[in-house]
Amino acid sequence: QLQLQESGPGLVKPSETLSLTCTVSGGSIDSSSYYLVWIRQPPGKGLEWIGIIYYSGNTYYNPSLKSRVTISADTSKTQFSLKLSSVTAADTAVYHCARHTYGEGYHYWGQGTLVTVSS
Amino acid sequence: DIQMTQSPSTLSASVGDRVTITCRASQSISSWLAWYQQKAGKAPKLLIYRASSLQSGVPSRFSGSESGTEFTLTISSLQPDDFATYYCQQYSDYSHSFGQGTKLEL
Repeated sequence: QLQLQESGPGLVKPSETLSLTCTVSGGSIDSSSYYLVWIRQPPGKGLEWIGIIYYSGNTYYNPSLKSRVTISADTSKTQFSLKLSSVTAADTAVYHCARHTYGEGYHYWGQGTLVTVSS
Repeated sequence: DIQMTQSPSTLSASVGDRVTITCRASQSISSWLAWYQQKAGKAPKLLIYRASSLQSGVPSRFSGSESGTEFTLTISSLQPDDFATYYCQQYSDYSHSFGQGTKLEL
């Protein structure tokens, strides 16, 4: 059974860079049919799509975050990184990673990790 | 980028009711639409993909349909476990997006 697990600091200071890792186990994203996405959810609010990394390594980001976001993958395609620079309180959210299967949406999700931006 | 407009934002219903949630895309997304259910403190769960395909293990009382750029999630007979928040999501282009969510409450 595929599992995804987010990890990283739960507290980040304003203006700094938020860095999270998504670790994939029990399966892979090492296929042209699978992609890794990041999504966030501010407390009490809806889901916001952050970005995606394809098997090729190509990435696409939410236009509203594009200037501050970087998603990358290690060579084994088992660890994926999210970096969000110049954070503010508005970036406080639960951050999820998920596996997107081509044509079928996000079957597998990590449990999410809360990141609070505060001094 | 494609905007998804979901309605209503809140829906009050009772066990046994038939309910419908609607999502409208700002442009054509073909059938590249999914529906998710989310309960408090949990990750979303995929219910429907490709507008009308039921994810394995999801009860058949859930169904999805489409008409042009308007998509509908229907729950035929509400069960106590169905009270949650529902999101639509388009994955038509390189940048995906979610609807604002519908909270289904008792």
